[in-house]
Amino acid sequence: QLALTQSPSASASLGASVKFTCTLSSGHSDYAIAWHQQHPEKGPRYLMKLNGDGSHSKGTGVPDRFSGSSSGAERYLTISSLQSEDEADYYCETWDGGIWVFGGGTKLTVL
Amino acid sequence: QVQLQESGPGLVKPSETLSLTCTVSAGSISSGYWSWIRQPPGKGLEWIGYIYYSGNTNYKPSLKSRVTISVDRSKNQFSLNLISVTAADTAVYYCARHLPPERGYSYGPVGHWGQGALVIVSS
Repeated sequence: QLALTQSPSASASLGASVKFTCTLSSGHSDYAIAWHQQHPEKGPRYLMKLNGDGSHSKGTGVPDRFSGSSSGAERYLTISSLQSEDEADYYCETWDGGIWVFGGGTKLTVL
Repeated sequence: QVQLQESGPGLVKPSETLSLTCTVSAGSISSGYWSWIRQPPGKGLEWIGYIYYSGNTNYKPSLKSRVTISVDRSKNQFSLNLISVTAADTAVYYCARHLPPERGYSYGPVGHWGQGALVIVSS
């Protein structure tokens, strides 16, 4: 069954980098995903679509500090030069056969 | 770019029907895929179902017996009906538009989100 796994929380210091992992379920290691950012009490924002080969396409206005990469069944979102406004929840999303699923989300704390 | 706005009652009684409408602006609903997604308080995102502009739909299997999504192209809106609600249906409900699929693929990710509408199920 198609599923995505994310760690519940992450933390990193201002100016540093952080890397989030989203793991695809067995048998789906070549699937594309998307990353979304959600600030407290706000609707999510699409960040990028990330393919299994690591190629990605970002949404309008997404800073260059945000990048994506892939390795096997893992999909990554890296944020460099962390800023306070990056503190948010980050969700991955995938789809198959007209069904969409989301990961449980990772809460980023910027120290 | 396209903008989406949810509207509907913020309070629904148990066993009744939850109804929400999504109004699309700065874009036409006459193309692509449109979804409803919800988020219970303090929890993650759950996809509910989609409607293609032509009217084809698909729903999350566990919700399929209670969900109907419809489209009104004349009003540039699509709607969600969820019957027989319980407290477990309390959530912020988002409408969303999917990005066009890449060549050779049928579907794409959510690319645009509404602001969300909180619906509380309580007597």
